[in-house]
Amino acid sequence: GNSVTQMEGPVTLSEEAFLTINCTYTATGYPSLFWYVQYPGEGLQLLLKATKADDKGSNKGFEATYRKETTSFHLEKGSVQVSDSAVYFCALTSYNNNDMRFGAGTRLTVKP
Amino acid sequence: EAQVTQNPRYLITVTGKKLTVTCSQNMNHEYMSWYRQDPGLGLRQIYYSMNVEVTDKGDVPEGYKVSRKEKRNFPLILESPSPNQTSLYFCASSSGLLGDTQYFGPGTRLTVL
Repeated sequence: GNSVTQMEGPVTLSEEAFLTINCTYTATGYPSLFWYVQYPGEGLQLLLKATKADDKGSNKGFEATYRKETTSFHLEKGSVQVSDSAVYFCALTSYNNNDMRFGAGTRLTVKP
Repeated sequence: EAQVTQNPRYLITVTGKKLTVTCSQNMNHEYMSWYRQDPGLGLRQIYYSMNVEVTDKGDVPEGYKVSRKEKRNFPLILESPSPNQTSLYFCASSSGLLGDTQYFGPGTRLTVL
């Protein structure tokens, strides 16, 4: 079945550091790929998404590129801020239904 | 404001006492879903619904029931809660179009003693 694997945390960075959170997936067909963010005490919010190979999703300085050849959707940001501290989830939906699969989540802490 | 609401936000109960967590969305979405979030496991789907009166099991349906009598509401029912159902629960909705974004409620933290 479909599955998502993302790098384990927690990740602790200093402000303005470069961020990468790795995400790889297993799926049949051409899934849609998502990054969701969960701030403390809140629900999940969509951060960015990509629906076909080679698409790049971007939002709030975060980027991720849908790489079919490596089945990856790594999240990157060039310069993190304290306000980026949150839990980040990689997720996918299958090409033929809305069944969404999530990774385990990566907790990011950014220190001033 | 487009949103998914859940009630209650926090609940402490005892084993075997039936409870219902409500979920409502105001976006006229076809698709609704319930997840539970546990440390190290991410979110796992409990049940989902593609439309009114249409529901189906997700990955971890045991011990839960749902109903979809109206498009906007999708309550989660625990007939006889047990301690292993202590978790953080999220309701989500989407248009139902393939690949569309799911919108999440704020979560319900349930503790079963």
